Amino acid sequence: EPEVTQTPSHQVTQMGQEVILRCVPISNHLYFYWYRQILGQKVEFLVSFYNNEISEKSEIFDDQFSVERPDGSNFTLKIRSTKLEDSAMYFCASRKRSGNTIYFGEGSWLTVV
Amino acid sequence: QQQVKQSPQSLIVQKGGISIINCAYENTAFDYFPWYQQFPGKGPALLIAIRPDVSEKKEGRFTISFNKSAKQFSLHIMDSQPGDSATYFCAASIKGGATNKLIFGTGTLLAVQP
Repeated sequence: EPEVTQTPSHQVTQMGQEVILRCVPISNHLYFYWYRQILGQKVEFLVSFYNNEISEKSEIFDDQFSVERPDGSNFTLKIRSTKLEDSAMYFCASRKRSGNTIYFGEGSWLTVV
Repeated sequence: QQQVKQSPQSLIVQKGGISIINCAYENTAFDYFPWYQQFPGKGPALLIAIRPDVSEKKEGRFTISFNKSAKQFSLHIMDSQPGDSATYFCAASIKGGATNKLIFGTGTLLAVQP
């Protein structure tokens, strides 16, 4: 069964460093998402991406965050200058054009020290 | 108004028992209500979903009950098994919205005791 794949599975970074989280969405999907889950809390929407542009972003997704689809398969989340409070599990997700089901990857655990 | 409220926060059920998790919403524009199951260290996986034009949907041991007038929906797990032990999230979204983004509840940690 097709799945969303994410790399790295775990990254430790120094505060203030840039981090790029990578995702390969399911191949025929057209909507792409990043969600965040702080340890023990709920899953929170960060941003959605369609037709090579951001379609919606949450208030969490400030100027320190950016997303990109550099080629036909990868979808990346960049955090320019990480803060301690950015420590969380980041989930990439994708969806077909039709249908509601959003498929999640296994997540990238980011620890900022 | 974008919130989805979920209860209980945690639940302990004996093997073979019924697990019931409840969610409530305010935004009447929501029209898609999925439940996701999450095991430790894994991403959320869709378990079952319902649209507001039906009051109940059953898939195997899992049933969603939906009460549109009360703006509530619940997940029932019949004959609960230790393998069902996981965190369950209800969610809601708006079909045809710009993104169909999911708004998640706060999660319920289910432990099924053997």
